[in-house]
Amino acid sequence: GAVVSQHPSRVICKSGTSVKIECRSLDFQATTMFWYRQFPKQSLMLMATSNEGSKATYEQGVEKDKFLINHASLTLSTLTVTSAHPEDSSFYICSGYVDGGQVYGYTFGSGTRLTVV
Amino acid sequence: QQQVKQSPQSLIVQKGGIPIINCAYENTAFDYFPWYQQFPGKGPALLIAIRPDVSEKKEGRFTISFNKSAKQFSLHIMDSQPGDSATYFCAASKDTSGSRLTFGEGTQLTVNP
Repeated sequence: GAVVSQHPSRVICKSGTSVKIECRSLDFQATTMFWYRQFPKQSLMLMATSNEGSKATYEQGVEKDKFLINHASLTLSTLTVTSAHPEDSSFYICSGYVDGGQVYGYTFGSGTRLTVV
Repeated sequence: QQQVKQSPQSLIVQKGGIPIINCAYENTAFDYFPWYQQFPGKGPALLIAIRPDVSEKKEGRFTISFNKSAKQFSLHIMDSQPGDSATYFCAASKDTSGSRLTFGEGTQLTVNP
C-alpha cells in the first residue's frame, strides 16, 4: 500500500533554532501533501496544503513565514519550523493524497514529536 | 458546514464487546468518509472508508454504517480486543483529488481484558 515516510520521529531543539521535517512518499506520487499539528488528546489541525511545484496554502492563523513548506518534487515535502519557540512544541504529521484509480485516499506519516527547550 | 461532530469522547468496553462510535456531518458535498486509528506517538492509520452510495461496509471486525438522510455514520468494532485500545477519528472530504479532510474530535477507546 501507499506509504509516507516521515523523519525525524523525534527532535529536540533549542529555542531560536530551525528544524526541518521531511516526508517522502515511497511508492506513489503525492501531488498534494497536507501538514497537520496535533496537541495531546486533541484532533489533527490542518496547517497547510501543498501542491507539487507551487506555493503552499496555509490555514487561517498559521504563520507562513514561521512554518515553511516546500514541495519541490512529487515524492518529497518538507516543513521547516523557523526560529522555534517552546509553544511550537507539538506533534507534526504529514499526509499524502493517493489517487491510483481504484486506490485512493489519504495516507499519513508516522509523525514528528518536536520539543523546543 | 465544515464540521464533523464525533461522540463519545471516550469509551471503555470489555474484551469481546462492540464499541460504537458515531459521527455527524453538515456539509452535503462530503462524499468520502474514512475512519482512522491512532496509537500514541504514531500517525493515523486508515481502518475503513465508505462512500454515500452504500449504507454499510464491513472489513474484518470493523463495520461502517452510513445514513445519508441523517448525515450520520458510525464505526462498529466487533469482538473488540485490548489491542484495539487507541484513539479513533472519523473524517470526511469532498470527492476531488487533494480535497482536505475534515476530522472529528476523536474517541479514546479502552478495551479491558
